Amino acid sequence: NAGVTQTPKFRVLKTGQSMTLLCAQDMNHEYMYWYRQDPGMGLRLIHYSVGEGTTAKGEVPDGYNVSRLKKQNFLLGLESAAPSQTSVYFCASSYSSHMYRGVDLNNEQFFGPGTRLTVL
Amino acid sequence: LAKTTQPISMDSYEGQEVNITCSHNNIATNDYITWYQQFPSQGPRFIIQGYKTKVTNEVASLFIPADRKSSTLSLPRVSLSDTAVYYCLVGDMNSGGYQKVTFGIGTKLQVIP
Repeated sequence: NAGVTQTPKFRVLKTGQSMTLLCAQDMNHEYMYWYRQDPGMGLRLIHYSVGEGTTAKGEVPDGYNVSRLKKQNFLLGLESAAPSQTSVYFCASSYSSHMYRGVDLNNEQFFGPGTRLTVL
Repeated sequence: LAKTTQPISMDSYEGQEVNITCSHNNIATNDYITWYQQFPSQGPRFIIQGYKTKVTNEVASLFIPADRKSSTLSLPRVSLSDTAVYYCLVGDMNSGGYQKVTFGIGTKLQVIP
């Protein structure tokens, strides 16, 4: 299993350009998340999804849009990039609860390797 | 959301046991305590999770007192490769997933040769 993968790994944009970050997971997880990480700020939740076709706002959703057309994919879009969106973006996925098919999980969250985005 | 407080940074020599304590005074009945580890340029990685008393796995131990208002992550005999940021998370993973949990800035552990 590949786990959680993110595309691309690096990207440089000019202010006003648009782009889409792709996250894919092969663990059949219901929940998927997009975070951004900035120096001294920890990880902040941008948007999340509790299942195919659903999305919801997290802590810092402004300037971003998301879509989850397939259970395994979660897309993060920047319609008009701004320098304030320079950050490292992490995607993650998890089961929805501790129990899954009768098995008590730790319900851990699995993270991708991250995308380093610079907006000039 | 249960607020967590943990030291910003810690230093330890190789081979020592490291204990990182996290305070969570307003933890709720259904909340679990989870610790993640993050190496530079990587996403966080799950270490351990518990609800009460003590939990041990091949990587670490988690000590939770009866009142659950704090927890201690214990790393036995650390090596240089344990240098990382450690996050303490508190939340009800059962009913809400991770959208009700915040990572904070974590504790930066530096292991010294």
